Amino acid sequence: EVQLVESGGGLVQPGGSLRLSCAASGFTFSSYWMHWVRQAPGKGLVWVSRINSDGSSTSYADSVKGRFTISRDNAKNTLYLQMNSLRAEDTAVYYCARTLEATPMEYWGQGTLVTVSS
Amino acid sequence: DIQMTQSPSTLSASVGDRVTITCRASQSISSWLAWYQQKPGKAPKLLIYKASSLESGVPSRFSGSGSGTEFTLTISSLQPDDFATYYCQQYNSYWGWTFGQGTKVEIK
Repeated sequence: EVQLVESGGGLVQPGGSLRLSCAASGFTFSSYWMHWVRQAPGKGLVWVSRINSDGSSTSYADSVKGRFTISRDNAKNTLYLQMNSLRAEDTAVYYCARTLEATPMEYWGQGTLVTVSS
Repeated sequence: DIQMTQSPSTLSASVGDRVTITCRASQSISSWLAWYQQKPGKAPKLLIYKASSLESGVPSRFSGSGSGTEFTLTISSLQPDDFATYYCQQYNSYWGWTFGQGTKVEIK
């Protein structure tokens, strides 16, 4: 069974940092591209970042470029999102999801809540 | 960047109604379009991919159509379990993955 389990969310002050993790199981992690998608309270889904299967290529939404870094450890079947210089508008539930190079997001994690507030 | 625009933002309907949601892309995306259903507090669920292909396990009352820049999601006979928010998404490794703003289907 495919499972994606996010962790690392919590309350952080503006300007602070947080690292999210997404533990994958039930599939060959190293074969899939991975994504982070976020959803602010009461708002819609917003794609944040993606990384290709071997970690050699990444892409970011303009709103997080230069502040967030996506990475993966294929030996540990884990995806990461390092979030720096956090702002109030980064408050959201963060989901990880898997795709192939040009496929939709068929599996999602349950999400982890990040709250940026003083 | 490709923008995805859904209409309407909110839709009020009754059980048994035929419901149609529209999604427009700012440029042609061929058939690289998916539809998701999301219920409160839950992760999105994939319903349709490649504009009109039904994901395994999804009821046949859901259907998708369109290509290029205009797409529709149709629920042929709305069921109580279908009251949720629906999102379209274009997906392509060159253009990225972009969601529409969502359509909430409410009970009339």
